[in-house]
Amino acid sequence: NAGVTQTPKFRILKIGQSMTLQCTQDMNHNYMYWYRQDPGMGLKLIYYSVGAGITDKGEVPNGYNVSRSTTEDFPLRLELAAPSQTSVYFCASRLQGDQPQHFGDGTRLSIL
Amino acid sequence: QKEVEQNSGPLSVPEGAIASLNCTYSDRGSQSFFWYRQYSGKSPELIMSIYSNGDKEDGRFTAQLNKASQYVSLLIRDSQPSDSATYLCAVKGSSGDKLTFGTGTRLAVRP
Repeated sequence: NAGVTQTPKFRILKIGQSMTLQCTQDMNHNYMYWYRQDPGMGLKLIYYSVGAGITDKGEVPNGYNVSRSTTEDFPLRLELAAPSQTSVYFCASRLQGDQPQHFGDGTRLSIL
Repeated sequence: QKEVEQNSGPLSVPEGAIASLNCTYSDRGSQSFFWYRQYSGKSPELIMSIYSNGDKEDGRFTAQLNKASQYVSLLIRDSQPSDSATYLCAVKGSSGDKLTFGTGTRLAVRP
């Protein structure tokens, strides 16, 4: 039972480079979320999706883009990476209604 | 006022004691409440969900909800050093499709 799978687990980028963080879930969940968590801080919502083809901004969307072409996948794109985007990124999903979210293991990203 | 508030801690308790973690929320229409545990360097892990007023017990964990006071708590009985982690309170509000997370309370259980 894979749950929510994030790749890569670690990545170092240079300033100005771009990359895509992958997230896939095999639970047929409708809702998917991307968070970032800076050291010693709480979770901040970047983007979320309520179903395939539908995405919406969270509280810190600047510098990121997402797409949701399938139920399973919700990639997060970083364009022109900046040092302020150094963080741990978590993807989460939940089924619907009042069901809880389940998190992936995270991607630790450093931008130098 | 933050939407979901938690004391950041650290809350230090001796092994075997009861740890009490508290959370208040501002959206009076909130219906769903969750506690997550996050070990250092790991992802949040769901430990309890609660939807109605009162207590819900699961092993050593008890979640308590009081919607009138907009307050949810987590009690950990017989605390163990392995319970040392940050505990996140999350609330699903009356509108929208998102959970709002508190910043977490760090719990330290000393042997």
